Amino acid sequence: TQLLEQSPQFLSIQEGENLTVYCNSSSVFSSLQWYRQEPGEGPVLLVTVVTGGEVKKLKRLTFQFGDARKDSSLHITAAQPGDTGLYLCAGAGRDDKIIFGKGTRLHILP
Amino acid sequence: DVKVTQSSRYLVKRTGEKVFLECVQDMDHENMFWYRQDPGLGLRLIYFSYDVKMKEKGDIPEGYSVSREKKERFSLILESASTNQTSMYLCASSLSGQQFYNEQFFGPGTRLTVL
Repeated sequence: TQLLEQSPQFLSIQEGENLTVYCNSSSVFSSLQWYRQEPGEGPVLLVTVVTGGEVKKLKRLTFQFGDARKDSSLHITAAQPGDTGLYLCAGAGRDDKIIFGKGTRLHILP
Repeated sequence: DVKVTQSSRYLVKRTGEKVFLECVQDMDHENMFWYRQDPGLGLRLIYFSYDVKMKEKGDIPEGYSVSREKKERFSLILESASTNQTSMYLCASSLSGQQFYNEQFFGPGTRLTVL
């Protein structure tokens, strides 16, 4: 069974700090996505990475796909209260089935 | 603005009732999905469909069925609701035939409580 493990489960930090959250697996994924879900809403796609070693930036968010395509990280610079939410990684594994991690719940304190 | 809508944001039902959750998308997407989201368990795929009248079981199909009579509409049916089906239900859609790594567009969710 392919699994995506996200860490930490919860993170609460002050506005302006930097943070990194992780998405790890023992399996190879053909692509990996990061979604953000705000309270009362469905997840919204932030980014898709498909190439091992790929780095993508979205304003203050930096996404990296591991060289072996088994892991990914999301780094946020100078976190803001608007970054608060549940961050989910999702991978396309065998048979192109999409698998979600359990998420990192991020809370940015003003 | 692309949209996935779900028929109810909140629903309370009694054990044994038949429950219908409706999802409609206006993006002409081929793929549609039903997930449930529970604390500590993340999103788990119940059923998906990659075409009208086609359906495939996901990871946790037991106790559920689905219907896709029109491309834009995907319904989730709980034949006899049970308390362990209390959850947040999320519908999603995406482009293309059988490739599931395209962006999924999610609805706002239906929080179902079964008493």
